[in-house]
Amino acid sequence: GAVVSQHPSWVICKSGTSVKIECRSLDFQATTMFWYRQFPKQSLMLMATSNEGSKATYEQGVEKDKFLINHASLTLSTLTVTSAHPEDSSFYICSALMGLAANVEFGPGTRLTVL
Amino acid sequence: QKEVEQDPGPLSVPEGAIVSLNCTYSNSAFQYFMWYRQYSRKGPELLMYTYSSGNKEDGRFTAQVDKSSKYISLFIRDSQPSDSATYLCAMTNTNAGKSTFGDGTTLTVKP
Repeated sequence: GAVVSQHPSWVICKSGTSVKIECRSLDFQATTMFWYRQFPKQSLMLMATSNEGSKATYEQGVEKDKFLINHASLTLSTLTVTSAHPEDSSFYICSALMGLAANVEFGPGTRLTVL
Repeated sequence: QKEVEQDPGPLSVPEGAIVSLNCTYSNSAFQYFMWYRQYSRKGPELLMYTYSSGNKEDGRFTAQVDKSSKYISLFIRDSQPSDSATYLCAMTNTNAGKSTFGDGTTLTVKP
């Protein structure tokens, strides 16, 4: 079946550094990918919609200069957390749209801890 | 008020019990309704999706959508310890692909 991978699965970094998270669709092309953030015992909050070859669409309240999204190919979207701070520590999950609106495959998530 | 409200739980049931998970919503534009299962520190896994109102059954799982009441349910029959997870309802309007999620209900099935 369709698989979406994320790398890394877990990252610890110092405050002020930047972290890049990759989201790949392994056996299908995804023109649209989504990035979510999930805090402990809370639901998924959509951060942005990533479209191949164009700028990402950010949700209200999400800083586009802090969370840089690049969808350079049909199988890869990257999220870069710039100048990370402890409050950015969270579980970041991507998903890829497979045609139909409800047919979305999620990645396994990346746990970011900022010290 | 949130667009999607999900019964918070947590739920703890004995093995073999029937489990009912529920969500209500306020946006009448939603047409696709999904249920995801999420194990700890993992990404969500799609269990079922339903378009518009009606019922859908898949093995031990049944999804129900009542658009007139803006109410959806997921029933799990003969629950198993392996069903222990957090269940998230999600909804989206046509073709957008962006889903709005409920806060999740954590289910524990005790052997």
